[in-house]
Amino acid sequence: SQTIHQWPATLVQPVGSPLSLECTVEGTSNPNLYWYRQAAGRGLQLLFYSVGIGQISSEVPQNLSASRPQDRQFILSSKKLLLSDSGFYLCAWSSGSSYNEQFFGPGTRLTVL
Amino acid sequence: AQSVAQPEDQVNVAEGNPLTVKCTYSVSGNPYLFWYVQYPNRGLQFLLKYITGDNLVKGSYGFEAEFNKSQTSFHLKKPSALVSDSALYFCAVRDINDYKLSFGAGTTVTVRA
Repeated sequence: SQTIHQWPATLVQPVGSPLSLECTVEGTSNPNLYWYRQAAGRGLQLLFYSVGIGQISSEVPQNLSASRPQDRQFILSSKKLLLSDSGFYLCAWSSGSSYNEQFFGPGTRLTVL
Repeated sequence: AQSVAQPEDQVNVAEGNPLTVKCTYSVSGNPYLFWYVQYPNRGLQFLLKYITGDNLVKGSYGFEAEFNKSQTSFHLKKPSALVSDSALYFCAVRDINDYKLSFGAGTTVTVRA
């Protein structure tokens, strides 16, 4: 069966510090991968998605970036965090067909102070 | 462009009573529709989806949803709610030609004993 992992689970970082959040998927190959941010426990904002290694699409201009160095690894990064980057970050995957549902990881709670 | 509306921020029901969470959508073509549930500080869990076929879709934990094309709705229902159904529920839509999901703002369901 497929599983998706995210780490760390929680993170507290000072403003201006770098960020690296990691997401890995097991039990499938060539997944579509997604990064979302959820603010204040409400709606989800799609940040990035990837349909293959090295292929990243950005949905919202910001100081975050994403990379996919391996087929089942998706990394969210920032060189300098802002207060507004605080939130709950969710990684998700889906299989290649567009009618398949997305499966979400457990999330990372980021607090920028 | 695709979008989802969840008109109710909160739904409160007594245990044992029917539960309905409303969702309307807008897409340019045929929709793929999904419902997810989120418990506090957790990732989203997939409940059910509509792709094609029977308008009544059955999913996990006794939930079902009815697709209504003329009203562009996809309401989530459960005949008899449990206290453990208390959570945040998200409706999502994807256009047939898109990898991206558009989520509603979410509806908080509270089931009182």
